[in-house]
Amino acid sequence: DAKTTQPPSMDCAEGRAANLPCNHSTISGNEYVYWYRQIHSQGPQYIIHGLKNNETNEMASLIITEDRKSSTLILPHATLRDTAVYYCIVWARGANNLFFGTGTRLTVIP
Amino acid sequence: NAGVTQTPKFRILKIGQSMTLQCTQDMNHNYMYWYRQDPGMGLKLIYYSVGAGITDKGEVPNGYNVSRSTTEDFPLRLELAAPSQTSVYFCASSRSSVVNTEAFFGQGTRLTVV
Repeated sequence: DAKTTQPPSMDCAEGRAANLPCNHSTISGNEYVYWYRQIHSQGPQYIIHGLKNNETNEMASLIITEDRKSSTLILPHATLRDTAVYYCIVWARGANNLFFGTGTRLTVIP
Repeated sequence: NAGVTQTPKFRILKIGQSMTLQCTQDMNHNYMYWYRQDPGMGLKLIYYSVGAGITDKGEVPNGYNVSRSTTEDFPLRLELAAPSQTSVYFCASSRSSVVNTEAFFGQGTRLTVV
């Protein structure tokens, strides 16, 4: 499975867009990029996933570079409740595991 | 919607004791997982199951056992508790392991072994 690299922490002002980067330079062609978040030691929560096209849902947008070696999760208008640890995960088609790293701790500042 | 339910939420065990962490899901998911999370770390897979009667080891299975007699339930058994098993345990389920699948997590069981 491809490894991912994320910055350990980031701050974002409330109401501004939060852009969380992730490097996955060894990603294979059939591996999806997933984003989960974990709020205050609760169970992780699914946010979004994609293969090579940009994706958007009610929570966030996922921008994947054309070479697929990196991606960015965008929270368009961060709120205090978005303060959490965000995990970027590469999940291979047919795999039975989510490999969690240490993620990025996002702090939304009032 | 109950989703994935774990019990108990907290437990303190003495070294050498045994216990079962319960996990049940009401979404008729085939796949279920057990993870542990040590302080400041990401989650690590202990065991998983792709359907009733089928289980397999994850990254850190030593000291644990599982069973999957029904689709809904996936209990995790600790036979001889050790301090190294102090952790937060998360159960998760998913419809399948193929594309467009999200995993649903329970709220966790915080276990301390003293």
